[in-house]
Amino acid sequence: GNSVTQMEGPVTLSEEAFLTINCTYTATGYPSLFWYVQYPGEGLQLLLKATKADDKGSNKGFEATYRKETTSFHLEKGSVQVSDSAVYFCALREGNQGGKLIFGQGTELSVKP
Amino acid sequence: DAGVIQSPRHEVTEMGQEVTLRCKPISGHDYLFWYRQTMMRGLELLIYFNNNVPIDDSGMPEDRFSAKMPNASFSTLKIQPSEPRDSAVYFCASNPGTPYNEQFFGPGTRLTVL
Repeated sequence: GNSVTQMEGPVTLSEEAFLTINCTYTATGYPSLFWYVQYPGEGLQLLLKATKADDKGSNKGFEATYRKETTSFHLEKGSVQVSDSAVYFCALREGNQGGKLIFGQGTELSVKP
Repeated sequence: DAGVIQSPRHEVTEMGQEVTLRCKPISGHDYLFWYRQTMMRGLELLIYFNNNVPIDDSGMPEDRFSAKMPNASFSTLKIQPSEPRDSAVYFCASNPGTPYNEQFFGPGTRLTVL
């Protein structure tokens, strides 16, 4: 079946460090890929997305490139801030699954001043 | 737009009691989802609706859980009877459907069953 695997957390970084959170997926067909972010005490919100191979999603300094050859969608940011501390979820949607998303287990990021 | 609205935001109840969680999706969205989040199990999809019709309820853990969507602007998730292991944060999300397919999440209901 379809699935999403993320690197385990927690990830702890110092402010201004480079961030990578790995995400790989298993799916039939050509899924759309998403990163969601959950700040403490809140619901998830969309961070970025990519709908086809080689697309790059970007938002708030975060980027992720849809790599079909490696079935990956790694999240990166060049310089993290304390305010980026949150849980990050990678997700996929297959074309024939309506609105249903399949989420990874989430990766907690903690950024220290 | 007010976004997805959930009520109550916090619920504390005793084992054996009935619990009803409520959700108002974003107007015009065709899909509605109920999720449960715990430290142990992460984010789990319980059930989702398309145009008020349940499409996939395979994530509903037991018969104690039931969900309804009587109209396009309201859904409930009911637990009867509740148990301590049901303690979690329950999220509702809605989605406008193809081609956008972005899910918009509510703030969640934190349920504690004593």
